[in-house]
Amino acid sequence: NAGVTQTPKFQVLKTGQSMTLQCAQDMNHEYMSWYRQDPGMGLRLIHYSVGAGITDQGEVPNGYNVSRSTTEDFPLRLLSAAPSQTSVYFCASSYGSSPGSPLHFGNGTRLTVT
Amino acid sequence: GEDVEQSLFLSVREGDSSVINCTYTDSSSTYLYWYKQEPGAGLQLLTYIFSNMDMKQDQRLTVLLNKKDKHLSLRIADTQTGDSAIYFCAETPGDDKIIFGKGTRLHILP
Repeated sequence: NAGVTQTPKFQVLKTGQSMTLQCAQDMNHEYMSWYRQDPGMGLRLIHYSVGAGITDQGEVPNGYNVSRSTTEDFPLRLLSAAPSQTSVYFCASSYGSSPGSPLHFGNGTRLTVT
Repeated sequence: GEDVEQSLFLSVREGDSSVINCTYTDSSSTYLYWYKQEPGAGLQLLTYIFSNMDMKQDQRLTVLLNKKDKHLSLRIADTQTGDSAIYFCAETPGDDKIIFGKGTRLHILP
């Protein structure tokens, strides 16, 4: 089992560029989410999905789009990158959306926007 | 609002016990979690406790929950160098979200 796979591991963008951070899981998990981790800020929820075709906003959704066309994939899109989006991004999944389902995390994508 | 507070740093001598504290705000949280993050990796679930429990022990780990004060703690007995990591407390307000604290960086002194 690969678990939660994030690509790329590292990315440098110029301000205004767009890109998609990929996330895939092979555990048939219904719930998937994206977090960003910044020094002194901990983990902040960007978007989440409780199943294919369903997405919702988290704490810091501005500047990011998501879609969930399949159970396995949950890509995060930056339409016009800004330096404030420099961060480490983590994708996570869990079996269900109920609070009792622990999250499984990917190893993160480190994004720098210049 | 929803918020989880924890101290940012803790230094402990190897072999001593580490106690990491956390306070949360949502009294309806059903589960409370402790996650561990090692350098360059994502978070891994360490342990969790149901809100109707006061204590949970799992080998070197002891979780204590004080629901009245909304206080959660993680005790690591016989702290080892491999325990050096960032530890995150998390609550589950029950609306499909898990809210994390900012993390406590545990530093092990020789």
